Amino acid sequence: KQEVTQIPAALSVPEGENLVLNCSFTDSAIYNLQWFRQDPGKGLTSLLLIQSSQREQTSGRLNASLDKSSGRSTLYIAASQPGDSATYLCAAGSGGYQKVTFGTGTKLQVIP
Amino acid sequence: DGGITQSPKYLFRKEGQNVTLSCEQNLNHDAMYWYRQDPGQGLRLIYYSQIVNDFQKGDIAEGYSVSREKKESFPLTVTSAQKNPTAFYLCASTLTGAGANVLTFGAGSRLTVL
Repeated sequence: KQEVTQIPAALSVPEGENLVLNCSFTDSAIYNLQWFRQDPGKGLTSLLLIQSSQREQTSGRLNASLDKSSGRSTLYIAASQPGDSATYLCAAGSGGYQKVTFGTGTKLQVIP
Repeated sequence: DGGITQSPKYLFRKEGQNVTLSCEQNLNHDAMYWYRQDPGQGLRLIYYSQIVNDFQKGDIAEGYSVSREKKESFPLTVTSAQKNPTAFYLCASTLTGAGANVLTFGAGSRLTVL
């Protein structure tokens, strides 16, 4: 059974800092790894999707990497801003498109 | 704009009552999903549907029921058999086939049992 872990559960950084969020998964036989953002009381917004054949994806200040062999993905946020404050969740897709396992998220606070 | 609409945003239920959460999408997505989110836990899959008139149980289907009579709609009923229904419920959809798997979520419905 796939298990997805995100450490730390919470992170507080000063504005402007570059930061890395971590995601680890136990079963390397994944189809893709997706990163989401969730604001309080809201749904999830997809940030980046990395297919199993890819090593990384970039969107603006965000860069996500995938290392299947080590069961790890990272989300890099450059020059953090207060508007980046949210909970970030990763999700590993495996065993078919309906088999998506979510981590519990990292709650990020960017302090002005 | 295309997206997923969930309603109501907030819902209060007395014990013993059934309630239905609505989920409508205009993305022409084939597959639809219902997840439950509790504090400190990852999202857990309740039910999913790949095509009209077909749906499958997820990891925590007990006490829930769904229907898929139209491609655009996938309502979730929380029955009185669900012992701990207070949670945040999220509906999602995705295309199927090659290039699929990007999950699109609605804004969620928060259910509170009084």
